[in-house]
Amino acid sequence: DSGVTQTPKHLITATGQRVTLRCSPRSGDLSVYWYQQSLDQGLQFLIQYYNGEERAKGNILERFSAQQFPDLHSELNLSSLELGDSALYFCASSVATGGLATDTQYFGPGTRLTVL
Amino acid sequence: GQSLEQPSEVTAVEGAIVQINCTYQTSGFYGLSWYQQHDGGAPTFLSYNGLDGLEETGRFSSFLSRSDSYGYLLLQELQMKDSASYFCAVTVPGDTPLVFGKGTRLSVIA
Repeated sequence: DSGVTQTPKHLITATGQRVTLRCSPRSGDLSVYWYQQSLDQGLQFLIQYYNGEERAKGNILERFSAQQFPDLHSELNLSSLELGDSALYFCASSVATGGLATDTQYFGPGTRLTVL
Repeated sequence: GQSLEQPSEVTAVEGAIVQINCTYQTSGFYGLSWYQQHDGGAPTFLSYNGLDGLEETGRFSSFLSRSDSYGYLLLQELQMKDSASYFCAVTVPGDTPLVFGKGTRLSVIA
């Protein structure tokens, strides 16, 4: 158990819909990262928040957005869902900003999103 | 841009030793990490190399050569539970804190 929690574990929805994925980082971690992992694919970095502010942006679609709240939990919002958005979505957290060499990321169990 | 290359699949016998290589091309470089991911599970941190040389953690060791842009993960005394995907990842300056390779699927057979 990494200490990172994600809800829900599974989500099944239809094309065109909007969903919200939730992540609570490890106690003391200020950074939250979101990744997408499609079947047989590596981990695609989406976005990072540090202490409530957006820190880094990766290959995140305009239909996707995220935020980090004052209690440091984060939500990833996916809208106008398409079949291709079906994937595992992982949240990770780390102590610092991520640019430090030894700022290890700890991953949550993931949310499996299925778009029908 | 950043790119990492690692074999897609490796098969090894229980009790043996296996090495998973990773080469990278990046703009800037801080270090190389390795993560393990079992099917349906979350990636789990295994090791980090910021300097050249070998880091050992139990049955797992990781090596880095910055001059060759190359690293490897060495798994000794393989067990069936080591069957998983292994990802190398680089820490680089800029917008993406951690860039992952596509992963190597290790199958341990009896």
